[in-house]
Amino acid sequence: EIVLTQSPDFQSVTPKGKVTITCRASQSIGSSLHWYQQKPDQSPKLLIKYASQSFSGVPSRFSGSGSGTDFTLTINSLEAEDAATYYCHQSSSLPYTFGQGTKLEIK
Amino acid sequence: EVQLVESGGGLVQPGGSLRLSCAASGFTVSSNYMNWVRQAPGKGLEWVSVIYTGGSTYYADSVQGRFTISRDNSKNTLYLQMNSLRPEDTAVYYCAEPDYWGQGTLVTVSS
Repeated sequence: EIVLTQSPDFQSVTPKGKVTITCRASQSIGSSLHWYQQKPDQSPKLLIKYASQSFSGVPSRFSGSGSGTDFTLTINSLEAEDAATYYCHQSSSLPYTFGQGTKLEIK
Repeated sequence: EVQLVESGGGLVQPGGSLRLSCAASGFTVSSNYMNWVRQAPGKGLEWVSVIYTGGSTYYADSVQGRFTISRDNSKNTLYLQMNSLRPEDTAVYYCAEPDYWGQGTLVTVSS
């Protein structure tokens, strides 16, 4: 099973700031890494697929990069609405897995 | 517009069964692989099962032999049959076409 480890587990950032969330895979997964945003009492929403492809309708301040085992989600110009938990997810090999999540607080 | 609507959750006793449904609109369930993902209260996301376009199915070890994923192309609906339920199966269950997720349905396993 591929283990995805996100860091940090929690981050508190001020509006207009920038945050970088990393996701490390226990073995190479190519570019089969996706990022989701989940707000309280909502279902997850796709932000980035295949490491760097922005999903339709997602603000341009969200970007992703990486390949192999190391991936990053960057959020620029943070807004209050970005407060959420962010998950990475791999679809390279079964069983599919998720990172443990990174909770982002906007001060 | 793609929409996924889950139903069928509820309270069930340990050892019981439930069948979850996920009605799709805006696309056909047979056109892409479809997943079930669950989230225990206050916890992270856990992948449960997948069905591929060709019909192949796979399961997490935690549900293997107890859960069955299927789809009805004529109804454009995905299903998850859950048998021998355990308290640790308590979670919100989401169906997910890779890009879109439903709103989830809560399954509570308790006596």
